[in-house]
Amino acid sequence: EAGVAQSPRYKIIEKRQSVAFWCNPISGHATLYWYQQILGQGPKLLIQFQNNGVVDDSQLPKDRFSAERLKGVDSTLKIQPAKLEDSAVYLCASSLGGARNNEQFFGPGTRLTVL
Amino acid sequence: AQSVTQLDSQVPVFEEAPVELRCNYSSSVSVYLFWYVQYPNQGLQLLLKYLSGSTLVESINGFEAEFNKSQTSFHLRKPSVHISDTAEYFCAVSDTGGFKTIFGAGTRLFVKA
Repeated sequence: EAGVAQSPRYKIIEKRQSVAFWCNPISGHATLYWYQQILGQGPKLLIQFQNNGVVDDSQLPKDRFSAERLKGVDSTLKIQPAKLEDSAVYLCASSLGGARNNEQFFGPGTRLTVL
Repeated sequence: AQSVTQLDSQVPVFEEAPVELRCNYSSSVSVYLFWYVQYPNQGLQLLLKYLSGSTLVESINGFEAEFNKSQTSFHLRKPSVHISDTAEYFCAVSDTGGFKTIFGAGTRLFVKA
């Protein structure tokens, strides 16, 4: 079974530029998560999708971050414009969905550096 | 709202020694509890989980964790660690509705020869 795929693996941009990350979850997984992991901290949930609907985006900085999951499969996370404090690893995870099937499978992450 | 506290940011230990990684949580509702592990240069993966039933849960590589509701803890233990256990370990909690998993800050386990 293929795992969660993410691209790119690394990205370096200047502040105020835009950037987009892509995630392809495990086939059949209804729930998709985007996390931000700043160095030395645990993953922080940015947004959670159930199929193509948003379940929780309470910690997504909506003035600059946006995410979509068209057709309930792939997802993109965009930052526009980026700030220095956005430097982090962005993790995508997926799960089957449902309370007792919420074991999350993580992708390798995208390491973003904002200069 | 839930929160997770991992009391130790780093735990150095000699090979074959026992180890305990501490995790405390707070929540106003029933919870599910998880330990995830991140080996060097790899993604996070589930180590073990507590959903219901026996409060002692085990992983395939010798780790175990015990859910203690009265102390709101879910400490991770292994009686004898190996060099290959060197990794970062994250405790996580979610409500039983399956929404919003909250992760702790992580504990870096470093096993020395």
